[in-house]
Amino acid sequence: DAGVIQSPRHEVTEMGQEVTLRCKLISGHNSLFWYRQTMMRGLELLIYFNNNVPIDDSGMPEDRFSAKMPNASFSTLKIQPSEPRDSAVYFCASTERQGRNGGYTFGSGTRLTVV
Amino acid sequence: KQEVTQIPAALSVPEGENLVLNCSFTDSAIYNLQWFRQDPGKGLTSLLLIQSSQREQTSGRLNASLDKSSGRSTLYIAASQPGDSATYLCAVFFGNEKLTFGTGTRLTIIP
Repeated sequence: DAGVIQSPRHEVTEMGQEVTLRCKLISGHNSLFWYRQTMMRGLELLIYFNNNVPIDDSGMPEDRFSAKMPNASFSTLKIQPSEPRDSAVYFCASTERQGRNGGYTFGSGTRLTVV
Repeated sequence: KQEVTQIPAALSVPEGENLVLNCSFTDSAIYNLQWFRQDPGKGLTSLLLIQSSQREQTSGRLNASLDKSSGRSTLYIAASQPGDSATYLCAVFFGNEKLTFGTGTRLTIIP
């Protein structure tokens, strides 16, 4: 298994541009989580899905952020328009049965820089 | 409120020493607890997962214990090596569909 795959690994964009981050889950996992990590705030949960359905998006900072899970194995996190304060490392993680059975597996992250 | 605490925030020890990292949590009704390692600029690597029915898990030089009644977990690293230098994160699954992370302990092994 290739694990949780995120793309791109690095993204540099100008303020105001749209940014789309992508995540492919581990086969058989049915829960997907998007996290953001910064030095100041550590790891923050943005949104999570169970069986393709968004369950809790209370961590999404603003309406500029949106996430979708069009099928059981893929998710996107979109920021439109992007701002410098969105610069962070964005991780996605997947697990089976909402984490009750196994643990979480994280992708390698996307380092986003908004200039 | 369900919280996870890791103390100390940073730790430096000479190479070869055994060491213990601590994690405490506020609610004993947990499903499982997971220890992660994060190298600078990298993602999170899962080290050990302990289910609520287990007392400990071992992988190589690592041993993680769980005491639900006291709300504590420890990660024991034997014969530390410079390659063990990283930030270690404890994360608890309280069953509310979210993984709650501690703030981590930054470990430095001095050659």
